[in-house]
Amino acid sequence: AQSVTQLGSHVSVSEGALVLLRCNYSSSVPPYLFWYVQYPNQGLQLLLKYTSAATLVKGINGFEAEFKKSETSFHLTKPSAHMSDAAEYFCAVTLSGNTPLVFGKGTRLSVIA
Amino acid sequence: DTEVTQTPKHLVMGMTNKKSLKCEQHMGHRAMYWYKQKAKKPPELMFVYSYEKLSINESVPSRFSPECPNSSLLNLHLHALQPEDSALYLCASSLSGRGANADTQYFGPGTRLTVL
Repeated sequence: AQSVTQLGSHVSVSEGALVLLRCNYSSSVPPYLFWYVQYPNQGLQLLLKYTSAATLVKGINGFEAEFKKSETSFHLTKPSAHMSDAAEYFCAVTLSGNTPLVFGKGTRLSVIA
Repeated sequence: DTEVTQTPKHLVMGMTNKKSLKCEQHMGHRAMYWYKQKAKKPPELMFVYSYEKLSINESVPSRFSPECPNSSLLNLHLHALQPEDSALYLCASSLSGRGANADTQYFGPGTRLTVL
């Protein structure tokens, strides 16, 4: 069965600093990987998705993630944090359209002025 | 347009009440999902409908009863809930929920449910 591990339940960065949110996956076959963001009292919004077309995936709001098979990782980065990036971020994995999406436990990002 | 709408936004109900949550999408998606999310936790899958047929039921108690009247609508009927059922209920949809490729799931804003 597939799973994801998000290292760090809470990450705090200064405004303008690099954002790095870590996600490692476990899967016996090539997975599909997603990053979602959730603002307080809202639903989940897709940031980006890895589908094996390219290992570096660019998403919305300046975020990107790199798929590294050798490290079984799919870390999310943004060069310069903005106050509006403060939210909960979830990494998720699935194997196909027939298998459920499995979420990591989430990482809360705080941005300090 | 990638919008999934959910009503109501907030719901407070007693343990003997019967209520329903509604979800709607007009993206032509044929897979629809119900998730439950407790505070500071990831969403937990409850039900999946694919082409209007229930395809996954994650051992959810019978006090939650899903219904998919057509390809655009998904309901969740609630009856005799417990206080521990208080949570954010999220609806999502995706293109088909079938096949080798994983379709993106698009989420609604959720219904905040409080059971007294």
